Amino acid sequence: GAGVSQSPSNKVTEKGKDVELRCDPISGHTALYWYRQSLGQGLEFLIYFQGNSAPDKSGLPSDRFSAERTGGSVSTLTIQRTQQEDSAVYLCASSFTGYEQYFGPGTRLTVT
Amino acid sequence: QQPVQSPQAVILREGEDAVINCSSSKALYSVHWYRQKHGEAPVFLMILLKGGEQKGHDKISASFNEKKQQSSLYLTASQLSYSGTYFCGTEGNSGYALNFGKGTSLLVTP
Repeated sequence: GAGVSQSPSNKVTEKGKDVELRCDPISGHTALYWYRQSLGQGLEFLIYFQGNSAPDKSGLPSDRFSAERTGGSVSTLTIQRTQQEDSAVYLCASSFTGYEQYFGPGTRLTVT
Repeated sequence: QQPVQSPQAVILREGEDAVINCSSSKALYSVHWYRQKHGEAPVFLMILLKGGEQKGHDKISASFNEKKQQSSLYLTASQLSYSGTYFCGTEGNSGYALNFGKGTSLLVTP
């Protein structure tokens, strides 16, 4: 079946602009996660959605970052007033059990 | 808090063994292991839930010492396909949100 998809695959934006990154999880997966991966760094947790529960936003680095998940499916990560340090690969993952996470291919964000 | 992985990098010849360690300063509920090949998404290897539990995946196994807040990943008789970056993810009290280490780069050469 279809895996986790993310769009766009690459995004180049100017400093100060807003960007939206999209994630389509595997159908039926109730858990959805956003991570950020910078060069040479591990996977930095950003936000976690589980069903209709309030999301765990504890990993969001600043109030410029926000995310929503509509209808328990598609999720959008929004970064406002982008900064150069926001440049990274943003990975989305989904899970049915909460254990094995299936990752999407990621969106490479470059802020110039 | 981010777990600490060691070593940062390791180079093996095909058929050799390797151990990757993961330690945390916080009490752990579980440890997850993922492998990421260059330019690809991370792929789940295994999860360990109990202290001292050992799991296996082909010739890759892992242990989890809950008391020491440590986990080790064992790769035996390594194959070229084992090359990649290995990440451990730890779960504390935040439900299923994982904190990942910085990764261990493994290169298996012929």
